Amino acid sequence: AQSVSQHNHHVILSEAASLELGCNYSYGGTVNLFWYVQYPGQHLQLLLKYFSGDPLVKGIKGFEAEFIKSKFSFNLRKPSVQWSDTAEYFCALNTGGFKTIFGAGTRLFVKA
Amino acid sequence: DADVTQTPRNRITKTGKRIMLECSQTKGHDRMYWYRQDPGLGLRLIYYSFDVKDINKGEISDGYSVSRQAQAKFSLSLESAIPNQTALYFCATSDSGTPQETQYFGPGTRLLVL
Repeated sequence: AQSVSQHNHHVILSEAASLELGCNYSYGGTVNLFWYVQYPGQHLQLLLKYFSGDPLVKGIKGFEAEFIKSKFSFNLRKPSVQWSDTAEYFCALNTGGFKTIFGAGTRLFVKA
Repeated sequence: DADVTQTPRNRITKTGKRIMLECSQTKGHDRMYWYRQDPGLGLRLIYYSFDVKDINKGEISDGYSVSRQAQAKFSLSLESAIPNQTALYFCATSDSGTPQETQYFGPGTRLLVL
């Protein structure tokens, strides 16, 4: 069965620290991968997505993610976090059907 | 100017009561979804609809029903609420019908069943 794993449920960083949130998926075929973000009190919104081409995908607000097929991973990165990045981050997978599968989410708290 | 709205935003109800959560969208999308979010479990799909005449069960549809009254409206009902339906419920829409589609979410409805 297809699944998405996010290893860290909670991450606490200081401002200007580098961020990497892990995401691994289980599926052997073609994948479409997403990172969504939910800021406090706001809707979930798309941060970035990968479906083909360059495995390094750049999104909004300085975020990027790298698709590594051999590792079944799609980790989210940001070189220097800000207090405003405090949010919950969801990795998601679509393998071509009607359904997008979401990971459990990672809550990021950035200390000012 | 929210594109996907949900009402109510918060609701407390009692076990056995019937409750309806409503979702409206102004994006003109055909596809609509209902998810529930539980801590540590992420978002799980309850029902989805590809158009007004097409409604499908998701992975956790037991205890829920839906109605697609129009392209813009998709309601979720709990016929007889139970405490383990306490959760955050999200409505979402999408337009392309492709695996690369972006979903657009409402603000969520926080439901507490006593």
